[in-house]
Amino acid sequence: QVQLVQSGAEVKKPGASVKVSCKASGYTFTSYYLYWVRQAPGQGLEWMGIINPSGGTTSFAQKFQGRVTMTRDTSTSTVYMELSSLRSEDTAVYYCARATADSGGWYLEYWGQGTLVTVSS
Amino acid sequence: QSVLTQPPSVSGAPGQRVTISCTGSSSNIGAGYDVHWYQQLPGTAPKLLIYANSNRPSGVSDRFSGSKSGTSASLAITGLQAEDEADYYCQSYDSSLSGVVFGGGTKVTVL
Repeated sequence: QVQLVQSGAEVKKPGASVKVSCKASGYTFTSYYLYWVRQAPGQGLEWMGIINPSGGTTSFAQKFQGRVTMTRDTSTSTVYMELSSLRSEDTAVYYCARATADSGGWYLEYWGQGTLVTVSS
Repeated sequence: QSVLTQPPSVSGAPGQRVTISCTGSSSNIGAGYDVHWYQQLPGTAPKLLIYANSNRPSGVSDRFSGSKSGTSASLAITGLQAEDEADYYCQSYDSSLSGVVFGGGTKVTVL
């Protein structure tokens, strides 16, 4: 069965960086794009970016341009999301999700369990 | 402020039917991009509920149905049950933003 298992919770100080991992299993890793979506406490879902595990190409939401990096390791079927220059507003649960493309766009069929990142001095 | 607009909350008695609207614009739903729906139970990750406007993934109850028309879409829940209490999000693709967009979420309460 498809599984996305994320790394554990992190506590960071303002200005620091955080790197969250997402290990995929149960399918061919390079066949599906992976999205990163975050959810601040009590808030809705926010798209951050997407990575193609096959070639490593990425696309980011404008809000995160210059501050986010997404990479992958095909030998371990793992994608990584690194967010830099953290501020308190970045406190959120970060999710990876496997994307399926259809004729009308993308949908997120499988989700990781989420990683809580807390930014506090 | 979310690109897609949903009502913050809806409620209904057990057994009733409730609907959740999702309103977009000409750069997303109105441009022909599909709408997808997710259910998020408290403290858990979102779960795909409806994809491509009206399709249910395997294992999703047929009490959930979706539709789309023009620049809007809706999710209907029939035979409301206590276990349906959750947050529901719509999602589409936006050509001007070149990425997926979500609604702000709707909390469903079973009275």
